[in-house]
Amino acid sequence: GQQLNQSPQSMFIQEGEDVSMNCTSSSIFNTWLWYKQDPGEGPVLLIALYKAGELTSNGRLTAQFGITRKDSFLNISASIPSDVGIYFCAGQLAGGATNKLIFGTGTLLAVQP
Amino acid sequence: EAGVAQSPRYKIIEKRQSVAFWCNPISGHATLYWYQQILGQGPKLLIQFQNNGVVDDSQLPKDRFSAERLKGVDSTLKIQPAKLEDSAVYLCASSWGQGGTGELFFGEGSRLTVL
Repeated sequence: GQQLNQSPQSMFIQEGEDVSMNCTSSSIFNTWLWYKQDPGEGPVLLIALYKAGELTSNGRLTAQFGITRKDSFLNISASIPSDVGIYFCAGQLAGGATNKLIFGTGTLLAVQP
Repeated sequence: EAGVAQSPRYKIIEKRQSVAFWCNPISGHATLYWYQQILGQGPKLLIQFQNNGVVDDSQLPKDRFSAERLKGVDSTLKIQPAKLEDSAVYLCASSWGQGGTGELFFGEGSRLTVL
C-alpha cells in the first residue's frame, strides 16, 4: 500500500531545541494532518490543514500545507521531554469517495532533558 | 466522553491459528476503521465501515482476514489462518460522519504476535 515519505526517520535532540520534519508524496492531497503516537497508544491528531499554503499553529507546533499539495512540514519549537514519540503525517486523497487517509513512515523524536 | 475501546490488548498465537479482535467506537461515530501497523511503519488501512456497510476493503487480505460491523456499532476483525507476517498492532479508529475532516480517534490497539 502507498505510504508517504517522511524525513528525518529519527531525531535525537536536547530539551529546548527546535525541531523540523517534513512529508512528501507523489500524489496530490486535499487535506494534510499530523498525528503523534506515544508508546503503546494509538495516534492522536495534532494539527489538520485543509488549504494549500495554509499555515496553522497549535501551541508550540506549527504546520504548513505545501503549495504543490504534495508536501507538508511540521515544526516544534522549544522542545520538552513530553514531545517524545513518533510523529506521522497523513494525507487525504483528493476526490476520494472514501476520504481515505494515507499515513507516512513516521519520525521518531527523542528529547534529552 | 469514552474513547475507542479495543480488546484484547495483547495476543500471542502460533501460525495457522485464528484470532479475533474487538472494537467499540466512540458513541455516535458513524465511520469505523481497522488499521494494521507493522513495527517501524505507519498505520495501513485494512477496512473502513460507514455504519454497517463496507466503504473500502481494497487492502484487506480477504483470503485470511474478515471483518464485520453487524449493527453499525462495534466491530470484529478476524484472521484465519494467521501467518508470521501478520504480527503487528491492529488499530481501530472511528470518526464523525464520513471522516471528511481527516480527524480519526484511535484506540490503544491490539498487539498480535504470531510465532
